[in-house]
Amino acid sequence: GESVGLHLPTLSVQEGDNSIINCAYSNSASDYFIWYKQESGKGPQFIIDIRSNMDKRQGQRVTVLLNKTVKHLSLQIAATQPGDSAVYFCAELGGSARQLTFGSGTQLTVLP
Amino acid sequence: NAGVMQNPRHLVRRRGQEARLRCSPMKGHSHVYWYRQLPEEGLKFMVYLQKENIIDESGMPKERFSAEFPKEGPSILRIQQVVRGDSAAYFCASSPPGGETQYFGPGTRLLVL
Repeated sequence: GESVGLHLPTLSVQEGDNSIINCAYSNSASDYFIWYKQESGKGPQFIIDIRSNMDKRQGQRVTVLLNKTVKHLSLQIAATQPGDSAVYFCAELGGSARQLTFGSGTQLTVLP
Repeated sequence: NAGVMQNPRHLVRRRGQEARLRCSPMKGHSHVYWYRQLPEEGLKFMVYLQKENIIDESGMPKERFSAEFPKEGPSILRIQQVVRGDSAAYFCASSPPGGETQYFGPGTRLLVL
């Protein structure tokens, strides 16, 4: 079936370095993508979104890149901080469906 | 503006009991979604509701699970005769009319003994 998956389950980076979290999706009908951050014991927190008619979108310290040719999504976090440590999920929304399809998540750990 | 609210935050039930999980959407949001998250996994869609209507319940187990979003009051996810496999975190999200972005609540962590 259609699914969204992540390349790496864990990622460790030094504080101050940039982080890149990747995500592959398989539903070519998906036209809206969201990155969520989930800290331990909390609900997913919206970070940034992008529509399929765009290939890049920037927020505060975060950038999302979308490559529709290879169905790949990435989240870049600049100058990673300890507070960025969390699990990051990509999610997709496609067609007439309103349900989000989530990937399995990447655990980001920021090292001092 | 308060975010999505869920209660209780933690719920312990014995096998065979009923669990009721409540969700109040963000102000102005009329669409509610329920998701379930097992440990170390992503969220899985269960049901999508608007006021007094179930729009999509394709992710709901056919038995023991039900959801409602009445005209007044919170949305309720009800699990009857709980089993240990129902232990999970249940998250509610809401979105405004015509909006796609879903905003999540803090979740209810259900533990079935």
